[in-house]
Amino acid sequence: EPEVTQTPSHQVTQMGQEVILRCVPISNHLYFYWYRQILGQKVEFLVSFYNNEISEKSEIFDDQFSVERPDGSNFTLKIRSTKLEDSAMYFCASSELGALTEAFFGQGTRLTVV
Amino acid sequence: AQTVTQSQPEMSVQEAETVTLSCTYDTSESDYYLFWYKQPPSRQMILVIRQEAYKQQNATENRFSVNFQKAAKSFSLKISDSQLGDAAMYFCAYRSRLGETSGSRLTFGEGTQLTVNP
Repeated sequence: EPEVTQTPSHQVTQMGQEVILRCVPISNHLYFYWYRQILGQKVEFLVSFYNNEISEKSEIFDDQFSVERPDGSNFTLKIRSTKLEDSAMYFCASSELGALTEAFFGQGTRLTVV
Repeated sequence: AQTVTQSQPEMSVQEAETVTLSCTYDTSESDYYLFWYKQPPSRQMILVIRQEAYKQQNATENRFSVNFQKAAKSFSLKISDSQLGDAAMYFCAYRSRLGETSGSRLTFGEGTQLTVNP
């Protein structure tokens, strides 16, 4: 069964450093998403991406964050100048036809900022 | 903006028994989707069941069924014949049908941690 793959599973970084979280969506999917879950809190939407551009972003997704689909298969989330409060589980998801179809989630990347 | 509320932080059920998880939501839209996602200890989000708001019939998926009350904005999940593998965090989620041909965010509730006792 096709699945969304995220790497790494766990990333530890020092405050102020830049991190790139990587995702390989399901191959025939056209819509891509990043969500964040701070420990013990609800899952929060960050950004959606379609046709090589951001289609929607939340208030969390400020200039510190950026997304890219560099090579037609990977979908990345870059966090510049990380802060302690960026520590969270980051989930990538993809769907075939936007809201009409199910969003499949990856297993998540646990980001720890120290 | 839409909001989703799960008022039960924790629930427990005996194996083989039935349990119902509650969810309410607030929206001004008339057409939307509702979902229940399961998050086991592995942390991966797995879709359990989906309901389209324009459908009056409650969705069913094997041992999982929903009670969708549109007027009351209520969307509960019933798990029948509970199994040990059902133990997980369960999230209720809302998705607008607006912009359905573009990316549309999921809005999640706080989650309910379900324990299944042998």
